Amino acid sequence: NAGVTQTPKFQVLKTGQSMTLQCAQDMNHNSMYWYRQDPGMGLRLIYYSASEGTTDKGEVPNGYNVSRLNKREFSLRLESAAPSQTSVYFCASSERGRGANEKLFFGSGTQLSVL
Amino acid sequence: SQQGEEDPQALSIQEGENATMNCSYKTSINNLQWYRQNSGRGLVHLILIRSNEREKHSGRLRVTLDTSKKSSSLLITASRAADTASYFCATDPRTNAGNMLTFGGGTRLMVKP
Repeated sequence: NAGVTQTPKFQVLKTGQSMTLQCAQDMNHNSMYWYRQDPGMGLRLIYYSASEGTTDKGEVPNGYNVSRLNKREFSLRLESAAPSQTSVYFCASSERGRGANEKLFFGSGTQLSVL
Repeated sequence: SQQGEEDPQALSIQEGENATMNCSYKTSINNLQWYRQNSGRGLVHLILIRSNEREKHSGRLRVTLDTSKKSSSLLITASRAADTASYFCATDPRTNAGNMLTFGGGTRLMVKP
């Protein structure tokens, strides 16, 4: 099993450009998440989807939009990239969702630089 | 804001020694989890300890939880060079409106052969 797959692995954007980060999981998980990781800051939750058809804001949602395309796929879109969005982005999934004492399964990350 | 804070930020030990990392958090939790991240990779779940548990073992890993002090520790015994990685604690706060597992800044562990 591939688990959680993210594309692309690396991306360089100019300020103001847009792009979509793709994420797919093959574990039939209900919940999916997007985190960003910055040096010394740990991971911060951008958006999550508790189940197919629902999305909710996390800690740092400004400047991002998400789409839960189906149960497998959860995309993250930057409409107008800013240098402050330079980061490593991780997609994750979990089996059932809220209150279930569950572990997260992570993709390998997308390193994004905004110039 | 970060719920969990790891200490130390960096740790360097010799192969065979034990490594201890600590995590402190601010609010009541449902559970606390530890993850490992190898350089350039995603996080991998190591162990989950529930708020009503005090200690848990998994292979060479031992995790303790003290809810009165709002702290946890991860002990790796007989460390190996392959244990070199960053280690993160993550908390599932009881005040969560949703699925918002909150991560600390991590401890970078280097195990020298």
